[in-house]
Amino acid sequence: EAGVTQFPSHSVIEKGQTVTLRCDPISGHDNLYWYRRVMGKEIKFLLHFVKESKQDESGMPNNRFLAERTGGTYSTLKVQPAELEDSGVYFCASSPFAGGNTGNTIYFGEGSWLTVV
Amino acid sequence: GQQLNQSPQSMFIQEGEDVSMNCTSSSIFNTWLWYKQDPGEGPVLLIALYKAGELTSNGRLTAQFGITRKDSFLNISASIPSDVGIYFCAGSAFRSGTASKLTFGTGTRLQVTL
Repeated sequence: EAGVTQFPSHSVIEKGQTVTLRCDPISGHDNLYWYRRVMGKEIKFLLHFVKESKQDESGMPNNRFLAERTGGTYSTLKVQPAELEDSGVYFCASSPFAGGNTGNTIYFGEGSWLTVV
Repeated sequence: GQQLNQSPQSMFIQEGEDVSMNCTSSSIFNTWLWYKQDPGEGPVLLIALYKAGELTSNGRLTAQFGITRKDSFLNISASIPSDVGIYFCAGSAFRSGTASKLTFGTGTRLQVTL
């Protein structure tokens, strides 16, 4: 079974450009999360989808960030326009279902490493 | 927002030594998780804790969920070179099984020398 896959693995863009990150969760996982780690700090939550619906987007830093999950399968995270402080690694994660089981493990992808210059 | 203080920030130990790291929080968590991140990869779950006071082992790893629900520790016994990496604690305010966001600690970078 394939794990959480993210694309691109690395991206270098200029300030003001647009970047779109893609995440393919583990097949059948209802929950999809975006996290990011900036400048060696802690990994911070961005948002959570349950299927195609945004369950919690309290971690999104500002309106330059837009996440979508059309059809409840893969998700995209667009940064437009990118700023220098957006540099970091963006992790996608998924988990099987919404409730009732202690085994609801969250699986992380390898991350998309973004550098804004 | 909730914050997790993780210590130590980094450790340099010799192969065979035991390692201990911990996380403390100003607020209560109902689930504590420990992850390891290898270079260029995403975090991988090591141990999950769902009850206050719970002590759980996974091979050479042992973790405990503090009674106050505000802390957790991870021990690694008889360290080996492949233990090198960054270890993160993470907490969730929601009950086990409920999908919810995680709050991560700042990480402990572990280096193992031969």
